[in-house]
Amino acid sequence: SQTIHQWPATLVQPVGSPLSLECTVEGTSNPNLYWYRQAAGRGLQLLFYSVGIGQISSEVPQNLSASRPQDRQFILSSKKLLLSDSGFYLCAWSPRNQGARQPQHFGDGTRLSIL
Amino acid sequence: AQTVTQSQPEMSVQEAETVTLSCTYDTSESDYYLFWYKQPPSRQMILVIRQEAYKQQNATENRFSVNFQKAAKSFSLKISDSQLGDAAMYFCAYRYPGQGAQKLVFGQGTRLTINP
Repeated sequence: SQTIHQWPATLVQPVGSPLSLECTVEGTSNPNLYWYRQAAGRGLQLLFYSVGIGQISSEVPQNLSASRPQDRQFILSSKKLLLSDSGFYLCAWSPRNQGARQPQHFGDGTRLSIL
Repeated sequence: AQTVTQSQPEMSVQEAETVTLSCTYDTSESDYYLFWYKQPPSRQMILVIRQEAYKQQNATENRFSVNFQKAAKSFSLKISDSQLGDAAMYFCAYRYPGQGAQKLVFGQGTRLTINP
């Protein structure tokens, strides 16, 4: 069966420090991968998605970047964190080329607090 | 652009009773998919139910069912026999079956409280 792992679960970082959140998927190949951010008490905002290695699409201009160095690995990064980067970050995957009927499957998320 | 609206920021229901969460969406497409996700306090996003727009029959999953009104662009979730474990944020989501990454568009969520 497929599983998605996301770490760390919680992270506290000072303003101006770098960031690296990692997400890996097991049990499937060529997944579509997604990074979402959820501000407190709000819905999910899609940040990035990827349909293949090295292929990254950004949904909103921001202080963050994403990379996909391997087929099942998706990384969210920042060179210098801002206070506004605080939030709950979720990684998700869905099967590629199996139609939109297939739901996205989410990781457990990372709670990021910027001090 | 597709949008999803959940007009009820919070709802509460007595345990064992029935509650309905509302969702409307805006799209010019005729073929698409709709989902309800549940996010309990653990923050994990869990798929509750999905509906294909081309199907007239409303989807059901045990105590969860939807009322899909395509002409009205409405997709409400009914939870029967509410249980304490149903307490969570519920998100409605839309997905267009186009090429590419097939992104989800989420509503803002409804926080459901179950009163014992």
